[in-house]
Amino acid sequence: GESVGLHLPTLSVQEGDNSIINCAYSNSASDYFIWYKQESGKGPQFIIDIRSNMDKRQGQRVTVLLNKTVKHLSLQIAATQPGDSAVYFCAETRTGANNLFFGTGTRLTVIP
Amino acid sequence: DAGITQSPRHKVTETGTPVTLRCHQTENHRYMYWYRQDPGHGLRLIHYSYGVKDTDKGEVSDGYSVSRSKTEDFLLTLESATSSQTSVYFCAISDREEQPQHFGDGTRLSIL
Repeated sequence: GESVGLHLPTLSVQEGDNSIINCAYSNSASDYFIWYKQESGKGPQFIIDIRSNMDKRQGQRVTVLLNKTVKHLSLQIAATQPGDSAVYFCAETRTGANNLFFGTGTRLTVIP
Repeated sequence: DAGITQSPRHKVTETGTPVTLRCHQTENHRYMYWYRQDPGHGLRLIHYSYGVKDTDKGEVSDGYSVSRSKTEDFLLTLESATSSQTSVYFCAISDREEQPQHFGDGTRLSIL
């Protein structure tokens, strides 16, 4: 399954499939990006980050891709599990700024 | 989980009353942040601190003040609460700039 970040806030995938969550950013000064997972009633939980001098970074079952040319960030989750059901946020920091700017999030639902 | 405790976890109060939310960390991190989360807006920064007694405004600081008298505690005060400040408030900490921020589990504040 694949979503287009802010314009399609929900994504449903079958258990075991790969998920792709997309995020567009607008500020070319953004130089550090983070993906968070938020479960109901909890705070955002760090998943993976990437700096602007990289275009790909892998973690456990997750991969983040950064395309600076089109200002696009994606989170790929391999073999999606029911425990992956949550809202996923991309966040960015901009050079000289000391806070994160968050997207509005994408809700991922995993169908058993 | 990062050692972050927010209190209270839930609060209901009336318009015009003062409210103070507390964030306590056990990680000895330099940076602390207050965000609010509203439907359709993601998380937005209210204020942050870069050291004891050192604070600065974020994106949505009007109507809020903060204080940090010791490393481990960061207080958010609504001097005279309004219904527009009904929200979920999250505290976050980080060790350095451009490092992942780690979040508490939030305070749900309702102002009637």
